[in-house]
Amino acid sequence: DIQMTQSPSTLSASVGDRVTITCRASQSINNWLAWYQQKPGKAPNLLIYKASNLESGVPSRFSGSGSGTEFTLTISSLQPDDFATYYCQQYNNYWTFGQGTKVEIK
Amino acid sequence: EVQLLESGGGLVQPGGSLRLSCAASGFSFSGSVMTWVRQAPGKGLEWVSTISDSARSTYYVESVRGRFIISRDNSKNTLNLRMNNLRAEDTAVYYCAKDRGGVCSGNSCHTCSQSWGQGTLVTVSS
Repeated sequence: DIQMTQSPSTLSASVGDRVTITCRASQSINNWLAWYQQKPGKAPNLLIYKASNLESGVPSRFSGSGSGTEFTLTISSLQPDDFATYYCQQYNNYWTFGQGTKVEIK
Repeated sequence: EVQLLESGGGLVQPGGSLRLSCAASGFSFSGSVMTWVRQAPGKGLEWVSTISDSARSTYYVESVRGRFIISRDNSKNTLNLRMNNLRAEDTAVYYCAKDRGGVCSGNSCHTCSQSWGQGTLVTVSS
């Protein structure tokens, strides 16, 4: 099984900050990686697919990068609507989510 | 507009069974890989099961394999999840999701979940 490890688990930041979340896979996933945003009581929302491709309708302040086993989600300038929990997911071999990163107000 | 509406959740005793359904509209259901994802109260997301567009390929997380059965009716645009021998640890909100597009082969369809329903709560308790 492929394990996905996100860091940090919680991140405190202010509006306008540049934020980076890291996701590490236990083995190479050939860039089959997605990032989701979830707000309390709501379904997840796809942000990034295939490691670096922005899903349609997602603001350009979100970007994804990385390859092999190490990936990052970056929010270039944090907005009030971005305070949420973020999950990575590998879909190279079955599917596995990371444990999530909560972005909270500093 | 893609719409996914889950139903069938509720309270069930340990060892019991439940059938979830997901009514889909606004896209080519018969051409889409479909997935169930769950989220236990206060916890993270867990992939549960995926079915190919033709239903020829099905995939399960190890913890539900042999107890849950995913199926689909392309004539009715409906995705199902039959859950048997339920355990307390199956308590969660269950989401159905339309995948982004992919071809299933081997151990994956190389596709992630693009659109999600609002979820249905399953509680397993005596």
